[in-house]
Amino acid sequence: EAGVAQSPRYKIIEKRQSVAFWCNPISGHATLYWYQQILGQGPKLLIQFQNNGVVDDSQLPKDRFSAERLKGVDSTLKIQPAKLEDSAVYLCASSLGGDSSPLHFGNGTRLTVT
Amino acid sequence: GDSVTQMEGPVTLSEEAFLTINCTYTATGYPSLFWYVQYPGEGLQLLLKATKADDKGSNKGFEATYRKETTSFHLEKGSVQVSDSAVYFCALSDRDQFYFGTGTSLTVIP
Repeated sequence: EAGVAQSPRYKIIEKRQSVAFWCNPISGHATLYWYQQILGQGPKLLIQFQNNGVVDDSQLPKDRFSAERLKGVDSTLKIQPAKLEDSAVYLCASSLGGDSSPLHFGNGTRLTVT
Repeated sequence: GDSVTQMEGPVTLSEEAFLTINCTYTATGYPSLFWYVQYPGEGLQLLLKATKADDKGSNKGFEATYRKETTSFHLEKGSVQVSDSAVYFCALSDRDQFYFGTGTSLTVIP
């Protein structure tokens, strides 16, 4: 089966600019997650979708970050305006759902904010 | 709340050495437990999982046993290879919420 697809792989922007990341989950996976991974740390959940509804966005900095999952398939994560501390890898993951179902991760987008 | 604590690294081993990476967890429910591996420039890949107490997950020579009495899920491998050099993450899932440890970097030298 095809894995989780993410684009772009790398992005360099200046602070205060905007950026968007795209994710296409594994076909049939109802649950989609966006994580932020800062160098040397574990993934931190930003937002979790079940189909096209938000399950958890408690750690999403809503003043600058937004995400949507139209039609319950693809998802986009946007940052506007970006700050230096947003430099990180943004990982998308999907799952069939249920506690024994693992997460399947994409390769991530490495964002550098200068 | 739920959390995962794993052994800090970095860990450096010689090829064919025995590996243990410790992981303990705190959970309010009955979580499933996972080990993920991350190679440079890539996303996390599932290494193994266990869904209930006393289950043993295994893959590619790695093993971990779900120990409810000690709330642990330690990762072991009897003989590491250079290709095992990566960052390893312990994780739990509880009601579709995932919690990750901070990761342990492993370097295996020939």
